Parts: sequence; C-alpha cells; structure tokens
Amino acid sequence: DAGVTQSPTHLIKTRGQHVTLRCSPISGHKSVSWYQQVLGQGPQFIFQYYEKEERGRGNFPDRFSARQFPNYSSELNVNALLLGDSALYLCASSPQGGELFFGEGSRLTVL
Amino acid sequence: LAKTTQPISMDSYEGQEVNITCSHNNIATNDYITWYQQFPSQGPRFIIQGYKTKVTNEVASLFIPADRKSSTLSLPRVSLSDTAVYYCLVGSWTTSGTYKYIFGTGTRLKVLA
Repeated sequence: DAGVTQSPTHLIKTRGQHVTLRCSPISGHKSVSWYQQVLGQGPQFIFQYYEKEERGRGNFPDRFSARQFPNYSSELNVNALLLGDSALYLCASSPQGGELFFGEGSRLTVL
Repeated sequence: LAKTTQPISMDSYEGQEVNITCSHNNIATNDYITWYQQFPSQGPRFIIQGYKTKVTNEVASLFIPADRKSSTLSLPRVSLSDTAVYYCLVGSWTTSGTYKYIFGTGTRLKVLA
C-alpha cells in the first residue's frame, strides 16, 4: 500500500512569492496534519484537518493556510514567503486516533 | 497542552540497551505518550505508544510510571542503524477528531561501533 505522498520533494522560491505543497494521505485516513521542521529542530504543528474541516491550528501567521479536499488530500499554502520559511514541510495522515504516518516532506528553500 | 523535555543527545555502543527518558509534568488524563524516530531528511516514523505501565513491541519498550509525568523509551541491543533523533509526544484525540501533537527538540542518539 502507498504511504503518505508529498509533492514537490524540493523547491526553491524567492522572498515574496507564494508556494503550494500537496499531500496525499494513506487510503482510508481521513485526518491530515502539517508540520514545519527547521533544520536542527523538532517538527512544529501548523494545521490539522479532519473530514475536510480545520480542527487545529498552531502558532503560525495568516500567511499560512491549508485545505482538505473531498478525497482527503490536502494542500498547504504559504504566501509572501520569508527567508525564515525555509524548512522541511511534513504532512502526516492518521485514522481517527493514534499513530501518525508521515510523508518524506517537501524541502522549501527561500532565497 | 503537555510540553515534553528530553535529553538533547546520547551516545551508546552497538549491542547495548539504550533508555531515553521524557518528562511531561502536565500530561492530561486523556493524553497518550508516543515515540517517533527520525532520520535526516525523512519524516518521523512511529515507534511505540502507551498510556500507562509498560508496552512492548518488536522494536522497543515503553515504561510509564503510575503518575505518568515521565516515560522511558527502551531500545534493546542498539545497532548503528538506530542512530537517529527520537521524539516523545504527548497528546490525545477528541471525539470530534481534533488533535494537536507537540514535538519537543528530541534526543539525538548516536550509536558507536
């Protein structure tokens, strides 16, 4: 069975641009969450979606937004990119309750 | 939300047992304790989860004392491939499907030959 897939795997943007990151959860998983991981630190919670509704939000500015589609895939959007947004963006899916299954992440570099 | 505290780093030798302790003083009644392993440039991978006492699976054991304010991940007979960052998470699900898992800085385990 396919695991959590994320795209793109790597991308480079310049300050002020916007970016869209995509995530496909494991089949049957209705919950998706997003994390930002800066080099040398633990993943920081950004959003959680369940049944297409936002269920949780971390301490990130409004430049960060997300949505979940009817097929439970998800997009993370970041507007007006800053140098500090450079990070590994991780998506995790889960059945209701318990274990998180992470994708390999999207490495964003902002120049 | 419960915040976790772990040692920043640990060194061990191949074949030894490694114990990593996590402190979570304000754990809530419904919270579970979960440990993840992460290799560089990869997503974290689930190791084990527990609520109280002891849980064991094919790769690790998790010890949780009665007050649940700490937990210890035990890795038996580590190998070089166990070199990674280990995260302790405390969190729970609500009936509405909401959760918010807080990762700490993790423990960098280095296994030496």
